[in-house]
Amino acid sequence: AQTVTQSQPEMSVQEAETVTLSCTYDTSESNYYLFWYKQPPSRQMILVIRQEAYKQQNATENRFSVNFQKAAKSFSLKISDSQLGDTAMYFCAFKENNAGNMLTFGGGTRLMVKP
Amino acid sequence: KAGVTQTPRYLIKTRGQQVTLSCSPISGHRSVSWYQQTPGQGLQFLFEYFSETQRNKGNFPGRFSGRQFSNSRSEMNVSTLELGDSALYLCASSFGGTTNTEAFFGQGTRLTVV
Repeated sequence: AQTVTQSQPEMSVQEAETVTLSCTYDTSESNYYLFWYKQPPSRQMILVIRQEAYKQQNATENRFSVNFQKAAKSFSLKISDSQLGDTAMYFCAFKENNAGNMLTFGGGTRLMVKP
Repeated sequence: KAGVTQTPRYLIKTRGQQVTLSCSPISGHRSVSWYQQTPGQGLQFLFEYFSETQRNKGNFPGRFSGRQFSNSRSEMNVSTLELGDSALYLCASSFGGTTNTEAFFGQGTRLTVV
């Protein structure tokens, strides 16, 4: 079974600075997908960024980028120019290829952006 | 277009009762997945339905069941409620292909069992 670990339960960052959230996973699969989801106080899970394991290039979405290290099974999220609206829980998630839409989530990192 | 809609948003039930939660997916989406979110166990996958058939199932007791209708709307049922079933229940919909199709989440149903 796949496992996803987020080792930082809580983090804080000053507005406009950069922060990196860590995620490691364990799988014997070679083809899979990784995601970062954001859950603000409204509880709505919002997809931040996704990475296909077969792609060597790290995904980027505006201020959000990932550092995907397949051999190390590491998938960190970097948030640049942090904004107050980035305050939320962040979940790393894993999905096998050809496994429907069954996501395995990490325990989450609570991020606080301070003014 | 309308997002994923979960009803009700909040629910209070008594131990031993049963409860039914509803999820209406985004139009055109054929896959609906359910997750339980608790402070202690985090986000755990319950089951996924695709074209009215259960495609994947998580490690939950048989008291948790679900179904999907021909219009892709899904319901999950929990029978003989226990205090530990208190949680936020999230559903997610997607087009349903087995490759990378983005899952869109609803706002959840907060179930409290007393």
